[in-house]
Amino acid sequence: DGGITQSPKYLFRKEGQNVTLSCEQNLNHDAMYWYRQDPGQGLRLIYYSQIVNDFQKGDIAEGYSVSREKKESFPLTVTSAQKNPTAFYLCASIRSRSTEAFFGQGTRLTVV
Amino acid sequence: GQQLNQSPQSMFIQEGEDVSMNCTSSSIFNTWLWYKQDPGEGPVLLIALYKAGELTSNGRLTAQFGTTRKDSFLNISASIPSDVGIYFCAGQLVYNQGGKLIFGQGTELSVKP
Repeated sequence: DGGITQSPKYLFRKEGQNVTLSCEQNLNHDAMYWYRQDPGQGLRLIYYSQIVNDFQKGDIAEGYSVSREKKESFPLTVTSAQKNPTAFYLCASIRSRSTEAFFGQGTRLTVV
Repeated sequence: GQQLNQSPQSMFIQEGEDVSMNCTSSSIFNTWLWYKQDPGEGPVLLIALYKAGELTSNGRLTAQFGTTRKDSFLNISASIPSDVGIYFCAGQLVYNQGGKLIFGQGTELSVKP
């Protein structure tokens, strides 16, 4: 079955550490997105990529980094520069010429 | 960044009641999408709207793309307990700089049996 897989489901990080969240899709979608969700708030865009080897900052990119070396993969690194990283992170993909985003199951990151 | 204004923020209703929520923006959108999110899961697409004035149904759900292209609403008829969750609107701007989808703040729905 095609879909988007995020891993891990739960992640704990010590302050000052970098951590990478995985997002893989086998839908052959061109565009991939990372959103952050905090309680009581909507989804805020961190980074997005419309083609391989290219990506753009979203509204809250500070303290995050991404890469898009393969069409199927769009990992997100939460760096130590991100002051408040505890949140629910969602990855999504959209096929070419469409606006319908399909989401992964999310990764809940907690800083301990 | 650009945001959609979604209301209400939360609703507490009795099973069997109808529900209505809406999204507005000061900008023109060329696409409106409605998603539902269950606790701890990713949002799932419910309805997609592509033309001003379009009215689309999906079972007990009905959504409309406002004629001004600046708003959309979602109705749920005869609510049931499994309708509980957070509903998000999302849209893509007409003069969008590169495929960004913008989301509303969400409407949290609670249904009392």
